[in-house]
Amino acid sequence: AQTVTQSQPEMSVQEAETVTLSCTYDTSESDYYLFWYKQPPSRQMILVIRQEAYKQQNATENRFSVNFQKAAKSFSLKISDSQLGDAAMYFCSKKGSNYKLTFGKGTLLTVNP
Amino acid sequence: DGGITQSPKYLFRKEGQNVTLSCEQNLNHDAMYWYRQDPGQGLRLIYYSQIVNDFQKGDIAEGYSVSREKKESFPLTVTSAQKNPTAFYLCASSMGGVGYGYTFGSGTRLTVV
Repeated sequence: AQTVTQSQPEMSVQEAETVTLSCTYDTSESDYYLFWYKQPPSRQMILVIRQEAYKQQNATENRFSVNFQKAAKSFSLKISDSQLGDAAMYFCSKKGSNYKLTFGKGTLLTVNP
Repeated sequence: DGGITQSPKYLFRKEGQNVTLSCEQNLNHDAMYWYRQDPGQGLRLIYYSQIVNDFQKGDIAEGYSVSREKKESFPLTVTSAQKNPTAFYLCASSMGGVGYGYTFGSGTRLTVV
């Protein structure tokens, strides 16, 4: 079974600091997409950022960026200038040729004022 | 505004009863998905449908059933055969293709009493 692994169940960061959330995945495909989703206390799932496996350039969305290492099958999320509103559960996920999203178990991020 | 609506937000069921969770989308998305979320487990796929009148089992389909008679609707029935039905259920939809992320509903919290 293809899996997505988030090795950090919980992380914390000081407001305005930078934090990196880790994710590794398993796949035998060459064409796939990777996503980070955010789930705040409201439990609404929000797409944060996505990365196409064929693109070497790391995706960036404002304060959110990824470090995509295809050979290592690693897809970490960096949050810069952390804000209180960034506190949430973050899920790493992968979508391949079967069009199904496979999720990791999540990392709970706490932002300290 | 386009979106995906789950109802009800909270649902209580007595043991031995079937219950149906509603999911409706007006995004004109072809694919729809049901996930179950438990603490520490991430999101696990129950059923998915890529087109009308067709659906596939996900990783934890036992004790659940679905239908896809209309493009907009993908109801999930939790049957009495589901041993541990108390959970948070998320419905999602997506355009066809590997590069599209999911749009999620706001979820239904099911509690068996």
